[in-house]
Amino acid sequence: SAVISQKPSRDICQRGTSLTIQCQVDSQVTMMFWYRQQPGQSLTLIATANQGSEATYESGFVIDKFPISRPNLTFSTLTVSNMSPEDSSIYLCSGRGGFQETQYFGPGTRLLVL
Amino acid sequence: GDSVTQMEGPVTLSEEAFLTINCTYTATGYPSLFWYVQYPGEGLQLLLKATKADDKGSNKGFEATYRKETTSFHLEKGSVQVSDSAVYFCALLAAGSYQLTFGKGTKLSVIP
Repeated sequence: SAVISQKPSRDICQRGTSLTIQCQVDSQVTMMFWYRQQPGQSLTLIATANQGSEATYESGFVIDKFPISRPNLTFSTLTVSNMSPEDSSIYLCSGRGGFQETQYFGPGTRLLVL
Repeated sequence: GDSVTQMEGPVTLSEEAFLTINCTYTATGYPSLFWYVQYPGEGLQLLLKATKADDKGSNKGFEATYRKETTSFHLEKGSVQVSDSAVYFCALLAAGSYQLTFGKGTKLSVIP
């Protein structure tokens, strides 16, 4: 299994600012993902973080708003840019060792935008 | 496309009651099936999984059987505890896909 940590665990931010969330996995994983979970809702995939290249974004999410980096097989960052109150959510990092292997999740970053 | 349908919540049970959370799916081929649990204020944890038809996943007293004929993966526990209060997500990973498909989640509250 993989243990995934995220920093920060929570933050309160002002409108118009940006926040970078860090994700660290304790072992090398092939695939890393970023999800958003709005209050009381299920998970929505934002993007797949690709090592050394641009992330693959899902419909409705764009790089300018959610830039993602993945410099190696165990670390990734998600930035929420030019935040508005609608960005208030839990952001979850996730990793999978291989294509059909079990997927593990970090504890989430709880973001409140005022 | 692939989809997962879970029973609507919230579900409220008394301690030691029997739990069933229904989950059905639509997918081509033979997906892998998962139950994840999210305790209050935490991320998702894998509860159990099954990767082929008739497999039974089990963990912490919970179990679910992969039923291909009914495209179901219902979660059951014989005697729930207050500590089982959480949101439960059913999910599938279709063969050849990189993306998990989640159900909407079912909130369980267990009262003493």
